Amino acid sequence: KNEVEQSPQNLTAQEGEFITINCSYSVGISALHWLQQHPGGGIVSLFMLSSGKKKHGRLIATINIQEKHSSLHITASHPRDSAVYICAVHNDMRFGAGTRLTVKP
Amino acid sequence: DTEVTQTPKHLVMGMTNKKSLKCEQHMGHRAMYWYKQKAKKPPELMFVYSYEKLSINESVPSRFSPECPNSSLLNLHLHALQPEDSALYLCASSQVWSDGRADNEQFFGPGTRLTVL
Repeated sequence: KNEVEQSPQNLTAQEGEFITINCSYSVGISALHWLQQHPGGGIVSLFMLSSGKKKHGRLIATINIQEKHSSLHITASHPRDSAVYICAVHNDMRFGAGTRLTVKP
Repeated sequence: DTEVTQTPKHLVMGMTNKKSLKCEQHMGHRAMYWYKQKAKKPPELMFVYSYEKLSINESVPSRFSPECPNSSLLNLHLHALQPEDSALYLCASSQVWSDGRADNEQFFGPGTRLTVL
């Protein structure tokens, strides 16, 4: 069993929809990353958080340390949000399998 | 400068070749990382350097040889690779806390797409 589980694996949405991607982990961690990877490979760090909630533009990340769960939300989704979203736990950078998001116009 | 650069962008090599991948950052980060990513899979950590010293080697075969000549540069020397080593190789860097923990946001380079024939 992977120590970091993401759901869903694939997600298709219409432009404007509210999107939620979930990440659960089984190990104790000091922080959790949300990363975005576009086709072609480049990875962008979206958030690193160890408690509570962070917001950046249309993106919101939350984490519940007691429940070992984090969510990434995208409000008013746009086709340019189409990418793979990956969560990673920081102790030794274990990655989830990623969620492939496609936002259709 | 908040960028991690990697060269080359693409590399095709034969199994008998020797080549090197290069990674550079000028953010003053003292932790640098090599990851390997196969298609449709998440990145896998290969090596971590902290203050130019190898701190983590995730049981990587010896045909991959990392080198950190200074605090801004990280190399990955490749020799006698196999076709299954074809992948995207990503470099990242992060700050290091004063107690040595690299417990900080990582900045990723664009990767080198390696094909081994």
